[in-house]
This record gives sequence, C-alpha cells and structure tokens, in this order.
Amino acid sequence: EDKVVQSPLSLVVHEGDTVTLNCSYEVTNFRSLLWYKQEKKAPTFLFMLTSSGIEKKSGRLSSILDKKELFSILNITATQTGDSAIYLCAVEAQGAQKLVFGQGTRLTINP
Amino acid sequence: IAGITQAPTSQILAAGRRMTLRCTQDMRHNAMYWYRQDLGLGLRLIHYSNTAGTTGKGEVPDGYSVSRANTDDFPLTLASAVPSQTSVYFCASSTQENQPQHFGDGTRLSIL
Repeated sequence: EDKVVQSPLSLVVHEGDTVTLNCSYEVTNFRSLLWYKQEKKAPTFLFMLTSSGIEKKSGRLSSILDKKELFSILNITATQTGDSAIYLCAVEAQGAQKLVFGQGTRLTINP
Repeated sequence: IAGITQAPTSQILAAGRRMTLRCTQDMRHNAMYWYRQDLGLGLRLIHYSNTAGTTGKGEVPDGYSVSRANTDDFPLTLASAVPSQTSVYFCASSTQENQPQHFGDGTRLSIL
C-alpha cells in the first residue's frame, strides 16, 4: 500500500527563521512527488519533483528529492507570517494519475 | 476566471438524506478527482475519472458515487448521508500528462 508520512505534524517558529519540512514515502513505481500549500481553502501547487538531487526553487521556498532514501524536504528561508499554512506532500505512481497525500505539516510563523 | 468551482460552499445535512456536491472545471482537463480532508488524516481519494465516461474508486469510496457525463462536470453523491461523512470535500482536476492537480475551494459538509 502506498504511504506518505510527513514530519513534524506541527511547527511554530518566529518570523525570519528557516524551516525544513520532511516527507518520506513508500510507493510502487514512483512517478513524482508534489508539495502543496493550504491556507484557508484550496491547496495550491508549489513544486513537482521527479528526479533525485535537482533542487526546485521559488523565491524563499526550495525543495529536493532523494529517490534512493525515499524522501523529500521543503525549505523555507526568512519565514514570514504569510507562510503560515498547512504544507501537504503527495506522491503519484506511474500510470496511476492518483495522488496519495501525507497528513500535512501545520506551520505557524509568529511575528 | 479559469478554474474549478465547487458548490455549495458549506452544507448542514440530516443523516439519511441524499446530497450531491457539484464540481465544474473550465480548463478542459481530462482527469477529475474527489477527496475528503479530515483532521490528522490528510486528503484521501474518494473517486476519480481519467476521462469523460469513465470513473474509478479511490481509497475511501464506500457511501459515495460519481458520474462523468462530460469533460467539465464531476458531481459527487451521498445516497444516504451518515455522520462519519462529515468532512471537507475537495474536487481537483489535471491533464493526463505529468502535470499537477488543481483544487477547488472545497465544500464543508456536516451530517447531523
């Protein structure tokens, strides 16, 4: 059974701190790993990772995938209160076109 | 504005009643999905459709049915609602290539 585990489940930091969110997975015939940010309503897409060792970056956010150790990390530098959200990790198997999600990490940035 | 529209935004429903959650997308995406989101469990797939006219079961399909008569619409029906179906329901869509899924704003459903 495909499985995604995120850690920590909850994290509270001060504005300006750097955070690292973790996602480990077990999936048959891995195709891709995705990160989403969920504030009040719809999850919004951040990154899709398919290859090991290639960092994806968008502003203060970056992510990398390790297909040998079966995990990914999402880094946020110089955090701002607007980064407060639930961050969701999901994996997709080859030919499945279905996502399996982790439980999410609730990140709170205090001013 | 292109995207996914879900209706209603929220609903309180008596147990045993029938309810249909609506989902419409205007991006001409082939694939559509229904998830439920519960505290501590993340998003779990209920049903999906890879293309109009086809549907498939996800991780938690029991008590739910879907139809896909055309590309744009993917309604989710609870034939006889039970309190354990209290949840936030998200509809999503994607192209069939290796592209991310896009989500609607969700429907908050409470079954009493």
